[in-house]
Amino acid sequence: SQKIEQNSEALNIQEGKTATLTCNYTNYSPAYLQWYRQDPGRGPVFLLLIRENEKEKRKERLKVTFDTTLKQSLFHITASQPADSATYLCALTSGTYKYIFGTGTRLKVLA
Amino acid sequence: DAMVIQNPRYQVTQFGKPVTLSCSQTLNHNVMYWYQQKSSQAPKLLFHYYDKDFNNEADTPDNFQSRRPNTSFCFLDIRSPGLGDAAMYLCATSRDQGGVETQYFGPGTRLLVL
Repeated sequence: SQKIEQNSEALNIQEGKTATLTCNYTNYSPAYLQWYRQDPGRGPVFLLLIRENEKEKRKERLKVTFDTTLKQSLFHITASQPADSATYLCALTSGTYKYIFGTGTRLKVLA
Repeated sequence: DAMVIQNPRYQVTQFGKPVTLSCSQTLNHNVMYWYQQKSSQAPKLLFHYYDKDFNNEADTPDNFQSRRPNTSFCFLDIRSPGLGDAAMYLCATSRDQGGVETQYFGPGTRLLVL
């Protein structure tokens, strides 16, 4: 069955450092992958999208890589700030309005 | 501001008592989704509407139904809620862009079943 794995343990990093979150998947060939941010008690908010034929995408302090051979995406936040503390979800889709989400990784940026 | 609105934010119901959750959007998006998210778990897609076409996920229980009377509104009906249905229910929308869609989520409705 299709499976997405994100590090379920919280990631604590010091302010100013780069946070790197991992999304691994199996038994799936996504057309594209998305990253969302979710704050407690709120709905997810879209951050970045990367297509299967793209290796890297950037937006301000955010960077996403997508390796379809390794079946892995890495999500980086550079110069992290306490306001970046949240749960980050990856979501895969083959482009048919069916999205599979990971459980998310909780990031805490320490001041 | 264009947005996705969910009402109520918190809903308490009794075991077996039908409940309806509502979602409205001002984005004029043609696709609407309902997700169930339990604590520390991934959002799980229940179904989606592409315009008026309803698409049910294979593992969505029959206890869950949905209605979309017009572009702006979508409802989630739980016919006989069980204790296991307590969760956050998220509504999302997207605009069909040929297979590359960004979803816009509402704030969610947290359902408690007593």
